[in-house]
Amino acid sequence: QSVLTQPPSVSGAPGQRVTISCTGTSSNIGAGNDVHWYHHLPGTAPKLLIYSNTNRPSGVPDRFTGSKSGTSASLAITGLQVEDEADYYCQSFDSGLGRVFGGGTKLTVL
Amino acid sequence: VQLLESGGGFVQPGESLRLSCTASGFTFGDFAMSWVRQAPGKGLECLSTIFGGGGSPYYYADSVKGRFTVSRDNSKNTLFLQINSLRAEDTAIYYCAKYRGMEYQNYYFDYWGQGTLVTVSS
Repeated sequence: QSVLTQPPSVSGAPGQRVTISCTGTSSNIGAGNDVHWYHHLPGTAPKLLIYSNTNRPSGVPDRFTGSKSGTSASLAITGLQVEDEADYYCQSFDSGLGRVFGGGTKLTVL
Repeated sequence: VQLLESGGGFVQPGESLRLSCTASGFTFGDFAMSWVRQAPGKGLECLSTIFGGGGSPYYYADSVKGRFTVSRDNSKNTLFLQINSLRAEDTAIYYCAKYRGMEYQNYYFDYWGQGTLVTVSS
């Protein structure tokens, strides 16, 4: 059971918009700690997608948008592309447990 | 930036391993580093944090405290993870990751290696 809760899977058709939620508690996201998002294809190095809630590193398309409110955060992906199929993880900091991740969400592009 | 892990393998319960992560493309000694693992079918787990500069280990996950030791050799741009008393539940892909950020609680991982597989089985 991960400290941050993500849906196990989401799906969408090419061109559509999907969102992935990340729900925490007052000990982590709700304490004002930043949320970061990673893209991971099994067998490869995870890649930073969004940092500090809303910021995209250089090279990440603006189709990827992060937001945060209260004890939750979300990753929105617009204009879905087949190459977006991957696992997505949120990460934050918990006052009792240290750096924590969500359980991961598998995105399927139909 | 490149991070290249090595040292994984197939070991029996109770044995030890030393993982290495060789870094390039940035001033290794200036940045905090971490080991993160992913067990089969599970999510990511942050195991340890070691600061840059003098390289003091700062954090170990409860699941590995007392058995895992993180260290670094800034002269060789290398991060290490000494893993003792291995258990079946330590079977995982082990990634090294570079930290970035201003405040410690808001650090994030801006680069990751591709991982090294550790399998613990009798």
